[in-house]
Amino acid sequence: EVQLVESGGGLVQSGGSLRLSCAASGFTFGNYWMHWVRQAPGKGLVWVSRLNFLGSTTDYADSVKGRFTISRDNAKNTLYLQMNSLRAEDTALYYCARGGSDAPMAYTGWGQGTLVTVSS
Amino acid sequence: EIVLTQSPGTLSLSPGERATLSCRASQSIISNYLAWYQQKRGQAPRLLIYGASNRATGIPDRFSGSGSGTDFTLTISRLEPEDFAVYYCQQYGSSPITFGPGTKVDIK
Repeated sequence: EVQLVESGGGLVQSGGSLRLSCAASGFTFGNYWMHWVRQAPGKGLVWVSRLNFLGSTTDYADSVKGRFTISRDNAKNTLYLQMNSLRAEDTALYYCARGGSDAPMAYTGWGQGTLVTVSS
Repeated sequence: EIVLTQSPGTLSLSPGERATLSCRASQSIISNYLAWYQQKRGQAPRLLIYGASNRATGIPDRFSGSGSGTDFTLTISRLEPEDFAVYYCQQYGSSPITFGPGTKVDIK
């Protein structure tokens, strides 16, 4: 069974930093694209970033480009999101998601999310 | 950026009825890379459909997807009580990946 467990969220002041982690189990982590998706309270889903199998190809939403960095450690089965220069509008529940085998950019597994709150 | 518009915003139906949800894209979606997700309150989303019409593993056959180009549809043939939720479409053919604003299916 695919299991993704996010951690590292919390309350941070505007301009601060956080590092989110996503621990994966139940599948061969290094075989899948991984993604971060966020959801502000009461709002819809917004894609944040993606990373290929080896961590050599990354992509970011314009709203986080230059401030967030996605990475992975396949030996530790863990995905990361380093978030710097945080803004109030980054406040959201951050989900880690696994791409599918047939469709790497459609999400066949999701964590329960970790809440990031940025106070201004 | 491809903008996705979903309609209606809210769909009020009774169990056993048919639900038809629409997702329209601002430009053609490459290779029909369009997915549908279901999200219940307090839960993570769940993939229903990918590639416009392929059911994800474990998804009941009352869920079906259709469409191509810029117009896509998710159909729930007979609503079960557990189907009342918010549904999002997602395009993943172009960067950035984008989601629609969602359609809420609630009990009439």
